Amino acid sequence: DIQMTQSPSSLSASVGDRVTITCRASQGISNYLAWFQQKPGKAPKSLIYAASSLQSGVPSKFSGSGSGTDFTLTISSLQPEDFATYYCQQYNSSPYTFGQGTKLEIK
Amino acid sequence: EVQLVESGGGLVQPGGSLRLSCAASGFTFSSYAMSWVRQAPGKGLEWVSAISGSGGSTYYADSVKGRFTISRDNSKNTLYLQMNSLRAEDTAVYYCAKAQWACSSTSCYGLFDYWGQGTLVTVSS
Repeated sequence: DIQMTQSPSSLSASVGDRVTITCRASQGISNYLAWFQQKPGKAPKSLIYAASSLQSGVPSKFSGSGSGTDFTLTISSLQPEDFATYYCQQYNSSPYTFGQGTKLEIK
Repeated sequence: EVQLVESGGGLVQPGGSLRLSCAASGFTFSSYAMSWVRQAPGKGLEWVSAISGSGGSTYYADSVKGRFTISRDNSKNTLYLQMNSLRAEDTAVYYCAKAQWACSSTSCYGLFDYWGQGTLVTVSS
């Protein structure tokens, strides 16, 4: 199975900051990488697919990059609604695995 | 508008069974693979199972293989998860998720664009 490792596990930032979350796959997955945002008590929301393609309706403040084993999610100009938990997920092959999550908190 | 509505969760004793349903609308259900993803209380996301649009191909996580069965009724636009021999570690919110693309490769099955609101399964005596 492909293991997905996110860092950091938690992150404190202020409104207006720019933050970056990293995700590493245990083996190459090309660009079969998605990012999700989840708020407490809610279903995950898809942000990015194919490592860098923005889902419809997702603001351009979210961006993704990477290929192979190393990926990043960058969120610019943080707003209060951006504070949530973020997950990466590989869909290169079954079983489809998620990172452990990064909790983004307000400083 | 795509809608996915799960039902069937509840409290069940260890060793018991439960069947979850996911009613889909707003898209051509039979064209898209579907998955179940779960989240234990306070934990991360775990993919559980996937099924192709036709229902002819199914995939499972090792943690549920042999105990859970995914199926679909395309005439009713409904996805199911039959869960047998339930264990305490199966306690979680179970989400159904729609594949983003209507294609037949396993990499397509694992990319999700819409999720249901989830249904809670609690396994406890």
